[in-house]
Amino acid sequence: AQRVTQPEKLLSVFKGAPVELKCNYSYSGSPELFWYVQYSRQRLQLLLRHISRESIKGFTADLNKGETSFHLKKPFAQEEDSAMYYCALSDRLYGNKLVFGAGTILRVKS
Amino acid sequence: NAGVTQTPKFQVLKTGQSMTLQCAQDMNHNSMYWYRQDPGMGLRLIYYSASEGTTDKGEVPNGYNVSRLNKREFSLRLESAAPSQTSVYFCASSLTGTGGYEQYFGPGTRLTVT
Repeated sequence: AQRVTQPEKLLSVFKGAPVELKCNYSYSGSPELFWYVQYSRQRLQLLLRHISRESIKGFTADLNKGETSFHLKKPFAQEEDSAMYYCALSDRLYGNKLVFGAGTILRVKS
Repeated sequence: NAGVTQTPKFQVLKTGQSMTLQCAQDMNHNSMYWYRQDPGMGLRLIYYSASEGTTDKGEVPNGYNVSRLNKREFSLRLESAAPSQTSVYFCASSLTGTGGYEQYFGPGTRLTVT
């Protein structure tokens, strides 16, 4: 069965510190991995996806198939990064359905 | 473009009451989805529609029904609301296919069942 695990409910860091939001997945097929973000009073939106291999707002994420992980990283956290972050997985073979992790709240303190 | 819109934004129901959550998108997407968001559980798929005229169950379909009225609209119905259905409900839409397309989300409906 598909499963996405985000082990941290809350991650609190100081401004300027590095950030790593952990995501592990369980799936034997060909997964697509995503990070979605929900800022306060805003709707959920895509942050980045592994197939794009891009950096958005300074965030990057590398798919590690050996460790089945897709951790989100940023070298220097900013206060505006404070939000709820969801890791999600979809299967190319079965369309675009998403399986979400439980989410991690990131709080960046000044 | 409004993107994905949902009505109502808030709703309080008594146990046993029924209601329909409305969702519409103006992006010409074929696929539409209904999720519920609960603390500590992330978003869970209730139902989805890969194209107009088709609907399929997701992870947590019990107690819900859906209707894909046309390409734009996808409604979620609670026939007999239960306190366990207290949640925030999100509608989303996307292109269809195997390309790992982005899903676009509505603002959510906060439902309380007493």
